[in-house]
Amino acid sequence: EAQVTQNPRYLITVTGKKLTVTCSQNMNHEYMSWYRQDPGLGLRQIYYSMNVEVTDKGDVPEGYKVSRKEKRNFPLILESPSPNQTSLYFCASSRRDRVRDTGELFFGEGSRLTVL
Amino acid sequence: DAKTTQPTSMDCAEGRAANLPCNHSTISGNEYVYWYRQIHSQGPQYIIHGLKNNETNEMASLIITEDRKSSTLILPHATLRDTAVYYCIVRSLNNAGNMLTFGGGTRLMVKP
Repeated sequence: EAQVTQNPRYLITVTGKKLTVTCSQNMNHEYMSWYRQDPGLGLRQIYYSMNVEVTDKGDVPEGYKVSRKEKRNFPLILESPSPNQTSLYFCASSRRDRVRDTGELFFGEGSRLTVL
Repeated sequence: DAKTTQPTSMDCAEGRAANLPCNHSTISGNEYVYWYRQIHSQGPQYIIHGLKNNETNEMASLIITEDRKSSTLILPHATLRDTAVYYCIVRSLNNAGNMLTFGGGTRLMVKP
């Protein structure tokens, strides 16, 4: 089954304790992205990656890092989490073939993070 | 990418058609109209997209006006499981970041 898998789905942590949210897709997609969703602010893009070893900032990259060492994985790293990073996080992937690209993004089920 | 305007919320009776409008008056020639929905706090789900012709798939129909300044998503026979927030997004395939800018969306409530 084609899917985007995020882990953990739920996490409560404390300020300053480094954490990583993993994201993996099995569709051989070139493009991957991280969004956060907060009440009243909608979905905002954090980082994206057009392909292996290629990453770029989205709208709200501060406080986050990403890496793309393999095509299927795109982990989101919070080196020193703070309470304002409490949010619902979504990973997404899509194709980037300009001929066949439909622009359809496939989203994971979300990771709810609470930083105390 | 162009901005979209949607009503904040709508109600629909179960079994009836749900017509969700979207205004995108600043849309440019190479921008597509996309619709996604988000059920509760699940990941957003792609529904349909189009450029200028009307489109239909197993989930919905998309009607785009001739001037492309607005569109309507139609769920022909709404069910309780269609209760969700529906997002209308315009995007160019030349958007290097492949970013979809999600606005507030329309909260559709399907009632028995």
